[in-house]
Amino acid sequence: EVQLVQSGAEVKKPGESLKISCKGSGYSFTSYWIGWVRQMPGKGLEWMGIIYPGDSDTRYSPSFQGQVTISADKSISTAYLQWSSLKASDTAMYYCARLLDYVPYYFDYWGQGTLVTVSS
Amino acid sequence: DIQMTQSPSSLSASVGDRVTITCQASQDISNYLNWYQQKPGKAPKLLIYDASNLETGVPSRFSGSGSGTDFTFTISSLQPEDIATYYCQQYDNLLIFTFGPGTKVDIK
Repeated sequence: EVQLVQSGAEVKKPGESLKISCKGSGYSFTSYWIGWVRQMPGKGLEWMGIIYPGDSDTRYSPSFQGQVTISADKSISTAYLQWSSLKASDTAMYYCARLLDYVPYYFDYWGQGTLVTVSS
Repeated sequence: DIQMTQSPSSLSASVGDRVTITCQASQDISNYLNWYQQKPGKAPKLLIYDASNLETGVPSRFSGSGSGTDFTFTISSLQPEDIATYYCQQYDNLLIFTFGPGTKVDIK
């Protein structure tokens, strides 16, 4: 069974750093992309970027380039999303999702989400 | 950047009604258009890929059509469990993705 299990909720202060995780199981982790999607409170879905754990090829949405870093450790089938200096506006639910490595490109399995709250 | 619009932003319909949501791209995206359902407090779920292909296990009352810039998502007979927000999402060959703003569907 394909599963993406994300790390737990985080409460942080502005300026702090954070790294959240997404662990894949039940499939070949290095043969699919992992994407990250933000959902701010009461708002819609925003695509942030993707990573191919097989070779660490990474693509970012222009809106998130330079704001976050996406990485992966294929030895433990885990992808990461990290911030070096959080802002209150980073408060959101963050989802990881699996993406096929060939057309058609769609996110077929999703993690349960990680709620990040940034507040002083 | 390709922009996606959806209409309506919300709708209220009765059980058994036919529900239609439209999604428009700011430029030709061929059929590179997916539809997701998100129920409150849950992760999104893929329903339709490449404009008209039903994901395995998704009920046949859901369907999609369109190509180019104009797309339609239809629920042929609305059921109580279909209460959710529906998002279109486009992709391109550079693996850049954009979600539409979403359409919230309620029961009247």
